[in-house]
Amino acid sequence: DTGVSQNPRHKITKRGQNVTFRCDPISEHNRLYWYRQTLGQGPEFLTYFQNEAQLEKSRLLSDRFSAERPKGSFSTLEIQRTEQGDSAMYLCASSLEQGSEQYFGPGTRLTVT
Amino acid sequence: AQSVTQPDIHITVSEGASLELRCNYSYGATPYLFWYVQSPGQGLQLLLKYFSGDTLVQGIKGFEAEFKRSQSSFNLRKPSVHWSDAAEYFCAVAAYSGAGSYQLTFGKGTKLSVIP
Repeated sequence: DTGVSQNPRHKITKRGQNVTFRCDPISEHNRLYWYRQTLGQGPEFLTYFQNEAQLEKSRLLSDRFSAERPKGSFSTLEIQRTEQGDSAMYLCASSLEQGSEQYFGPGTRLTVT
Repeated sequence: AQSVTQPDIHITVSEGASLELRCNYSYGATPYLFWYVQSPGQGLQLLLKYFSGDTLVQGIKGFEAEFKRSQSSFNLRKPSVHWSDAAEYFCAVAAYSGAGSYQLTFGKGTKLSVIP
C-alpha cells in the first residue's frame, strides 16, 4: 500500500506530557499538510510543507506545537505540555502539485487525560 | 475568508433510496471543490472533485456532484444507497493561501445512516 501512513494510530497521554506523531506521505508527493479534527467538526488546517520548507502555519498552531519535515520526506508533529483541549484526531495529507487533491492518512487520535 | 456550510448534520435513508447531501460554499474566486467520506475511526477518502469544466462530476462508488455557481452549491448525489455508504461526508473548498498552498476548508460534515 503506497498511501499516506501515520503513527501511532492512537495515543493516550497525561496532561503536561510531550507527544510526537509521524506522517509518511505518498512517496512522490512534495506537499504535506497537517489538520486537526475535533468531535463533530470537519478537519481544520494546521500547517503546510513544500518539500522541507514549512511555508504556512495556522493561528491554531500555538507555540506548544512544532512540526518538521527533514529532507522533505516524512514529517513529525510535536505537542509540548499537552492540555486536555489538545485531544483530537490529527490528520496528515499529501499532494503532488499545487491545487491538486490531497490524500489523507488514517490519522492519530490523541486523548489527553 | 472562505467557508463551507453543510446544512444537514444527520440524514437517514433506506437502502436503495436516492441520496442528496447539500453543500454551500463562500469563496471570492473560482473554487476548487471536493467531497470526502470518513468511516468511523478512519481518515478521509476523496469521493470526487471539481476544478473546472463540466459542472456535473462523477466520482467513485457511484457518487456524483453538481457545481452550481449561481447557488454557490456543490451537492452530492447517489441514485441508490447501499448499507456500506453509512459514514460521514465532508464538503471542502480549496482556497489559495498566498504562500504556495491551497488550504482546504471543510464543512462540519453530514452523518449518513442507512436503514436496511
